[in-house]
Parts: sequence; structure tokens; C-alpha cells
Amino acid sequence: GQSLEQPSEVTAVEGAIVQINCTYQTSGFYGLSWYQQHDGGAPTFLSYNALDGLEETGRFSSFLSRSDSYGYLLLQELQMKDSASYFCAVFSYSGAGSYQLTFGKGTKLSVIP
Amino acid sequence: NAGVTQTPKFRVLKTGQSMTLLCAQDMNHEYMYWYRQDPGMGLRLIHYSVGEGTTAKGEVPDGYNVSRLKKQNFLLGLESAAPSQTSVYFCASSWGTGELFFGEGSRLTVL
Repeated sequence: GQSLEQPSEVTAVEGAIVQINCTYQTSGFYGLSWYQQHDGGAPTFLSYNALDGLEETGRFSSFLSRSDSYGYLLLQELQMKDSASYFCAVFSYSGAGSYQLTFGKGTKLSVIP
Repeated sequence: NAGVTQTPKFRVLKTGQSMTLLCAQDMNHEYMYWYRQDPGMGLRLIHYSVGEGTTAKGEVPDGYNVSRLKKQNFLLGLESAAPSQTSVYFCASSWGTGELFFGEGSRLTVL
């Protein structure tokens, strides 16, 4: 089966940097995705890492180490609007030529003034 | 600019009633997914489809059925609703990568 671990809550100050870690155990691993979800809204895609290393998209960066089964999402220059839940998700091969995305339980980020 | 559309957005059912949630996407995606989201549980995969006419079970398939008769539509059915199926249901579609496009969600309450 699949399992993902990420902190349930994180609090950070506006303008600061925060890192949300994710460790996973899975078979058929292809990549690690990150999603953002505001209260009452739908999840929206942030990033996808298939290879080891850091991917940067504006204020957000995502890192993957396949050998350590570990990744993180880095948010810089935090803004109040970044207060949301962040989910890591493992993209994996599920057999018969198909793939699925399995989500962690999410990290609720609160940005305070 | 519709993307992924779910209907209905809200529904209240009595235990034992049946209903169908409809998901439609206009991006010509091969993959479509149904997830449910409960407080503190993240998103759990119910069923998914890798193309027209195909379906596969996810993590929590019991009590649900699905059909993908047309590429753009993915239906989720509850034959006999139970209070444990009270949840927010999200449909998503993709090209078969880790980037999913989600609908706005359907909030279902079973009394």
C-alpha cells in the first residue's frame, strides 16, 4: 500500500520562509506532487517532482530525494493568502498500464502578521 | 474555460436512497478520478478511470459504483446511501501525470 506522512499544522510569520516535509512509502513510485487547498475550495496543483532535486516556481519550491523517500515544499516571502492546507501526493504505477495519485492527510499552514 | 464541472454541488439524502454525481471535463483528458474528503483524512481515492469504458478501484471503493461511457464524463453512483458516506466529493482529470485538475466539489449529507 501507500503511506505518506506530513505535519498536521504549521504556523509561520508573514514574510518568513516555511518548509513542509513529506515522507512516503510506496511501490511503483513515479513522482511527488504538491497541492494547495483553501478552506471550502478545491485542491489546486502547485508542483510535481519526478527527478531528484529542487524545482522552483516563483515563491514556491519543491524538492525530492527518491533515495530517502522524502520531499518538501518551500514557501518564501509568506503572504496572508498562503494560509491554506498543503497536500503532498504520490504518483505511482498501479498496474495494467494505469497510474494513480495518493494524497497525504495535509498540512494546515497558518500565516500570522 | 469550464475545466472540470461537478453536479450537483450540494445534496441531502436519506439513508438507503440512491443518487449519481456527474463529472464532466472539457480538456480531453484520458484520466478521471473520484475522491472523497473528510476532516483530518485528506483526499481518499474512490475509483478512477484511465480511458473511456475503463474503471478501476481506488483506496475506498465500497458502497460506490462508477461508469465512464463517454470520455468527457465520469459518473459516481451511490446505490444505497449510508451516513458514513457524508463527505465532500471531488472529481479530477489529468493527462496521466501528477498534475490533476479538480472540480469545485459536491457536498453530500446522508441523514
